Amino acid sequence: NAGVTQTPKFQVLKTGQSMTLQCAQDMNHEYMSWYRQDPGMGLRLIHYSVGAGITDQGEVPNGYNVSRSTTEDFPLRLLSAAPSQTSVYFCASRESGTIFGPAYYGYTFGSGTRLTVV
Amino acid sequence: GENVEQHPSTLSVQEGDSAVIKCTYSDSASNYFPWYKQELGKRPQLIIDIRSNVGEKKDQRIAVTLNKTAKHFSLHITETQPEDSAVYFCAAKLNEKLTFGTGTRLTIIP
Repeated sequence: NAGVTQTPKFQVLKTGQSMTLQCAQDMNHEYMSWYRQDPGMGLRLIHYSVGAGITDQGEVPNGYNVSRSTTEDFPLRLLSAAPSQTSVYFCASRESGTIFGPAYYGYTFGSGTRLTVV
Repeated sequence: GENVEQHPSTLSVQEGDSAVIKCTYSDSASNYFPWYKQELGKRPQLIIDIRSNVGEKKDQRIAVTLNKTAKHFSLHITETQPEDSAVYFCAAKLNEKLTFGTGTRLTIIP
């Protein structure tokens, strides 16, 4: 298993440009999330999905779109990049299961995408 | 929504001593509390977690305690080693949303 794969690892955008951060997992995980990490602020949830075709907003969704057409892929789209979106972006996934059941595990994170908007 | 506070923001301990990091959460409905370790430039990695039906969990030198009444949980690392130096994050899960603390930079002094 490759786990959670994010591409690209680094990206520089100009203000107003659009791009898609890719996230794929090969563990058949139902749950996937996108986080951004900024210095001194921990990780903040942008969007999440509990299965193919189902997405919802997290703590900081403005400026980002997501879709989940397959179980494996959960891309994050920046429609018009702004300097405030300069950050490290992490995708994470976990298998489904009840919180107190034996098959419940924490989120596995991808290696991240470092995005700079100039 | 959930709010997680984490203290201290930095912690230095002598090698071999113990380290304790504390977190509080705001919503009593949160039911899962993981701890992540993040080394410089790397991804967060789950090191231990605890569910709300358990008060304590231990894995070798690492332990986590949960006090649901007070809504706080703590990470305990005993016999610290240089490789324990990293940033540690606590988190609380409410429904499908995982809210993180702001992190503790732990430095182990040889």
